Amino acid sequence: GAGVSQSPRYKVAKRGQDVALRCDPISGHVSLFWYQQALGQGPEFLTYFQNEAQLDKSGLPSDRFFAERPEGSVSTLKIQRTQQEDSAVYLCASSRLDSPLHFGNGTRLTVT
Amino acid sequence: QKEVEQNSGPLSVPEGAIASLNCTYSDRGSQSFFWYRQYSGKSPELIMFIYSNGDKEDGRFTAQLNKASQYVSLLIRDSQPSDSATYLCAVNGGHTGTASKLTFGTGTRLQVTL
Repeated sequence: GAGVSQSPRYKVAKRGQDVALRCDPISGHVSLFWYQQALGQGPEFLTYFQNEAQLDKSGLPSDRFFAERPEGSVSTLKIQRTQQEDSAVYLCASSRLDSPLHFGNGTRLTVT
Repeated sequence: QKEVEQNSGPLSVPEGAIASLNCTYSDRGSQSFFWYRQYSGKSPELIMFIYSNGDKEDGRFTAQLNKASQYVSLLIRDSQPSDSATYLCAVNGGHTGTASKLTFGTGTRLQVTL
């Protein structure tokens, strides 16, 4: 596709539910990042993949957060047992190696 | 101390004026510096990036970097109402390559008034 595609655009989950957020990067982009953006804040790094390898997951806030990119293309961010503090916009970004990031439109997660 | 600091604003400038957006960072090893524009409810969009001390110009935008002072700025000339957005400063914290992990500031909200 022309850009980074994320789905769903909006997700409402009841506290305790599991959610899965999908990211389709730009074709050929080796690097894929997940960021979390709370209201009024800048994006905060969650995790980074180079192809299928998860090279950095230091930003994942707890073991309830899990990300994968099994074939080096589409990535899924899973949040188990969602909490209210997980409410945020989750941004996916991709790039070629050593190129600036291109962001998707994000998934807005609301935990009620 | 946050790693990347920006004044949250709002910064209000009249149409046609120069808008000056500032950012300081704490990691002296940082190598690459980025400005993203984010409209409300939209994703960040890359405006400019700069690696070397000095100025880099692209159309109405000029990025300025001073590594000794750990300071990077964005100037927008001839500001237009369509420039009204939040501007995010992002820093590559000492990792090689531009695609490495970025640390973002909280953003400065710019309002261009008619």
